[in-house]
Amino acid sequence: GNSVTQMEGPVTLSEEAFLTINCTYTATGYPSLFWYVQYPGEGLQLLLKATKADDKGSNKGFEATYRKETTSFHLEKGSVQVSDSAVYFCALSDPRTNAGKSTFGDGTTLTVKP
Amino acid sequence: GAGVSQSPRYKVAKRGQDVALRCDPISGHVSLFWYQQALGQGPEFLTYFQNEAQLDKSGLPSDRFFAERPEGSVSTLKIQRTQQEDSAVYLCASSLRRGLSTVNEQFFGPGTRLTVL
Repeated sequence: GNSVTQMEGPVTLSEEAFLTINCTYTATGYPSLFWYVQYPGEGLQLLLKATKADDKGSNKGFEATYRKETTSFHLEKGSVQVSDSAVYFCALSDPRTNAGKSTFGDGTTLTVKP
Repeated sequence: GAGVSQSPRYKVAKRGQDVALRCDPISGHVSLFWYQQALGQGPEFLTYFQNEAQLDKSGLPSDRFFAERPEGSVSTLKIQRTQQEDSAVYLCASSLRRGLSTVNEQFFGPGTRLTVL
């Protein structure tokens, strides 16, 4: 079956530091890959996505590249801000085999200190 | 408010009670998903509707869990004879098109936090 493994947290960084959150996946089909963010007290929001190998998703300064050869989709940001403090979830979905339902990692909590 | 809404936001139940959790998807969204999120973990798939048809219920943990979407819009997740292990956040998500053959964004509601004492 499908699975997603995320870098364990929590992660604590100073403002303007470089961020990497690792994500690797196992899938039987050709999944699309997603990063979701959950700010304190709010619901999950889609941060970025990539639908095929070598695609790069980007949004709000975050980016992730779909690497089929390493089955990875690592999240990066060059300079984090205090407002980026949240829980980040990596997920995959393969509409051709499982009707679009998503498989999530366990989440990585990011805290950015001023 | 064009987003997915869920009610109640918080629910406390005594062990053995039945609960009903409601999801109002974005108007016109065909697909609706329920997920269960235990503390410190990612969401786990429970069930999926395409309009009023429940096409996948493989994630429902037991026959105490039942979901319906009778008119293809609002959905209710019912848990009978609640147990402590049912304590979790229950998330609803909707998407515009069918899940099959189309990758489309899922919009999540804020969730219902269920605590079973």
